[in-house]
Amino acid sequence: KNQVEQSPQSLIILEGKNCTLQCNYTVSPFSNLRWYKQDTGRGPVSLTIMTFSENTKSNGRYTATLDADTKQSSLHITASQLSDSASYICVVRGQAGTALIFGKGTTLSVSS
Amino acid sequence: DTAVSQTPKYLVTQMGNDKSIKCEQNLGHDTMYWYKQDSKKFLKIMFSYNNKELIINETVPNRFSPKSPDKAHLNLHINSLELGDSAVYFCASSNWTGANEQFFGPGTRLTVL
Repeated sequence: KNQVEQSPQSLIILEGKNCTLQCNYTVSPFSNLRWYKQDTGRGPVSLTIMTFSENTKSNGRYTATLDADTKQSSLHITASQLSDSASYICVVRGQAGTALIFGKGTTLSVSS
Repeated sequence: DTAVSQTPKYLVTQMGNDKSIKCEQNLGHDTMYWYKQDSKKFLKIMFSYNNKELIINETVPNRFSPKSPDKAHLNLHINSLELGDSAVYFCASSNWTGANEQFFGPGTRLTVL
């Protein structure tokens, strides 16, 4: 069964600290993996999209990595800010023509 | 300019009523989607339309009926609303080919009393 598992479920860190969120998937075949950020009361916004041939992709203080062999991805947030408080959702697309498979998300709270 | 817009933003209604949510995108995408996000924040796809054709129809009660009058619009009509329908409904759009990056609307919070 195609699944996307994220950990931890929730995380609290101090402003300025770094953190890493994990995503494991069993989707096969695999087309691409994306990370979305969802602020409270808003729709998800794409942070990065990676195909199986890409190992890392950055978007400002956000860096996503992908290991297609072990089917793992991580999202690293550097020098966290209060505005990083949100849910981060890992989403995997299987073969072309299939629906996206969403993880349940990690809720990040950044406190001052 | 708003890329993907939904109306209304909030919808409070009684059980048994029929209601509609509208969605419009101005990105020129050929595919639109409806997602349901429950109280545990889990996003689940309901429907997808590509060029006005239904291409994804997950296990959703037939009380939910999507309608796509053109590529830029995908509306969701819900009949005989039930308490369990309370959730946030998100519309999204993308191009089906390529990376298929989806752009989401702001969501419609539906509360059924």
